[in-house]
Amino acid sequence: KQEVTQIPAALSVPEGENLVLNCSFTDSAIYNLQWFRQDPGKGLTSLLLIQSSQREQTSGRLNASLDKSSGRSTLYIAASQPGDSATYLCAVSDRGSTLGRLYFGRGTQLTVWP
Amino acid sequence: DTEVTQTPKHLVMGMTNKKSLKCEQHMGHRAMYWYKQKAKKPPELMFVYSYEKLSINESVPSRFSPECPNSSLLNLHLHALQPEDSALYLCASSRPGLNSNQPQHFGDGTRLSIL
Repeated sequence: KQEVTQIPAALSVPEGENLVLNCSFTDSAIYNLQWFRQDPGKGLTSLLLIQSSQREQTSGRLNASLDKSSGRSTLYIAASQPGDSATYLCAVSDRGSTLGRLYFGRGTQLTVWP
Repeated sequence: DTEVTQTPKHLVMGMTNKKSLKCEQHMGHRAMYWYKQKAKKPPELMFVYSYEKLSINESVPSRFSPECPNSSLLNLHLHALQPEDSALYLCASSRPGLNSNQPQHFGDGTRLSIL
């Protein structure tokens, strides 16, 4: 069964720092990997999706990379802002499922203070 | 604003009540999902509908009853819930594909509290 791990579990940084969030998965047979943001008590907002054939995706200050063979992904946040404070979840779509079943990590809780 | 709309946003109910959670999307997606999320935990898959047919039931207790009346709507009927069922219930949708490489779009969830 696919297992997804995120490190660190929590991160607290001053505004302006560049950040790296890590995600690892045990089975490299995936269709894609998604990074989500979740604000307290809210739903999930999709940030970036990387297909298994891709190496990275970028959106604004966010850059996600994927190394499928080693089972790793990183989410890079440039010039962090207090508004980036949220929980960041990564999820993989496993090739063992034909219906897009996602396996989630437990998330990294990010706090950016002014 | 999310493209997947869930109602109500909050629900408080007693253990003997019957209520329903609703989810709606107009993106033409034909796969819809229910997830349950407890505090500080990742979402857990409950049900998957593909082309309005129930395709995955993750051994969810029968007090949760899903329904997909059409391609835009997904309901979750609740009856005789337990206090441990208190959680955030998330709906998601996606285009089903042979390779399942489509992103899932999530709603804002319904915060359910069982008294």
